Amino acid sequence: QKEVEQNSGPLSVPEGAIASLNCTYSDRGSQSFFWYRQYSGKSPELIMSIYSNGDKEDGRFTAQLNKASQYVSLLIRDSQPSDSATYLCAVLNSSASKIIFGSGTRLSIRP
Amino acid sequence: SQTIHQWPATLVQPVGSPLSLECTVEGTSNPNLYWYRQAAGRGLQLLFYSVGIGQISSEVPQNLSASRPQDRQFILSSKKLLLSDSGFYLCAWRDRGPTRQYFGPGTRLTVT
Repeated sequence: QKEVEQNSGPLSVPEGAIASLNCTYSDRGSQSFFWYRQYSGKSPELIMSIYSNGDKEDGRFTAQLNKASQYVSLLIRDSQPSDSATYLCAVLNSSASKIIFGSGTRLSIRP
Repeated sequence: SQTIHQWPATLVQPVGSPLSLECTVEGTSNPNLYWYRQAAGRGLQLLFYSVGIGQISSEVPQNLSASRPQDRQFILSSKKLLLSDSGFYLCAWRDRGPTRQYFGPGTRLTVT
C-alpha cells in the first residue's frame, strides 16, 4: 500500500464547475496535510494546508480532512482554465521528519 | 520573507560525469532541507533530507549523495551519472514543527 494515494486522472471538468480531488493516506498518526499545484515544467506550489478535521476554505479552494477515514480532499469552485495542472496531495509523517507526496492528479478544465 | 534558490536551472551532462547541484535558503535559520527527484510524468521521490548541519538522511540507495556544509546550504552530488539520473531535481525547505514546505525552482537534468 502506498503511503499517499491519489487517482492519477486525468480529471476533466467544465469551466465554472466544481472540481473534486481526493487522497487517502496510510500513516494514522499524521497530523498535517497539504495540497500543492504543479504546472507542467514548474516546481510545486503550496495552495492549501489543513491540520484538523473538517473544512478549510481559502477563496475558491476548500480542503476537507477526515482523520478517522484517513481521507483528504480538495474542492475547486468555479473552475477556470488556469486551474489546469497536476495537484499533489502531501502528508507530514507522524514523526514530523518528512512530507510524503502522492503521485498527483492531473486536472483539465475544458472551456 | 524566505527565498530558496537552486542552480543551475538546466543541465545536460554525459553519462559518467560528476554532478553538483546547489540549493540555498534565505530568510530563515535552521530549516529542514530536502532533495526530491521527479522523473518525466512521475511523482516526487524523496532522495535526502537534513535536519541540521552535517546531518543527512538517505531515502533511496543510489549513486547520489548529499551534504549540508552550512545551515542554509544543501548540495546534491554524484561521482558518475547514470542515464536513469535524468529528471527534475527539487530542493525544498521547511521550518521546524508541523508547518508548510516550500520548493525551489528546480534543476532539470538530462544525462546523455
